[in-house]
Amino acid sequence: KAGVTQTPRYLIKTRGQQVTLSCSPISGHRSVSWYQQTPGQGLQFLFEYFSETQRNKGNFPGRFSGRQFSNSRSEMNVSTLELGDSALYLCASSAQIDSYYGYTFGSGTRLTVV
Amino acid sequence: SQQGEEDPQALSIQEGENATMNCSYKTSINNLQWYRQNSGRGLVHLILIRSNEREKHSGRLRVTLDTSKKSSSLLITASRAADTASYFCATDAGSGGSYIPTFGRGTSLIVHP
Repeated sequence: KAGVTQTPRYLIKTRGQQVTLSCSPISGHRSVSWYQQTPGQGLQFLFEYFSETQRNKGNFPGRFSGRQFSNSRSEMNVSTLELGDSALYLCASSAQIDSYYGYTFGSGTRLTVV
Repeated sequence: SQQGEEDPQALSIQEGENATMNCSYKTSINNLQWYRQNSGRGLVHLILIRSNEREKHSGRLRVTLDTSKKSSSLLITASRAADTASYFCATDAGSGGSYIPTFGRGTSLIVHP
């Protein structure tokens, strides 16, 4: 079956702009989580969506937002970009129905803010 | 903040040798997972061990969990150059059907051919 698909793979934006990243989970997976990965901070949890509802949220400013659609596809948005937002953004999906078997990650979107 | 912390931060070995990585965590967990990440790519789920399990095997991977010491180890036997990657442990203390893994900073493994 198809894996987790993230688009785009690479993105270059200017400070102050906004950006939208997309994630299509594995078919049947209803939980989608987003992580930010930087060399300095490692993998930081952004938020998790389950059945179109934000179920958990990490410690990020309000400039970071997301949503999930009825087909479980998810988008995250970062407004008023800052240089420090340059990172690899990873999306992960999980079944989380009867039990939990870990996440399947996408290849990520590399965002560079200049 | 990181829940799990891997040790060592970096490990360099020759092909054929075994590689052992350790993970320590702070609070009680439901399960612990290990992931691999090749440079700049997404993470690949390797193995999940539940809090009531002590050891688990998957191919050349062996994971142990000691909840009394709040630690886990990942052993890769007969390593190959293709095992070169960063390895992360992730702990989860979720409840109510929600499982949010918290990742450590990872161990960078280099296997020399």
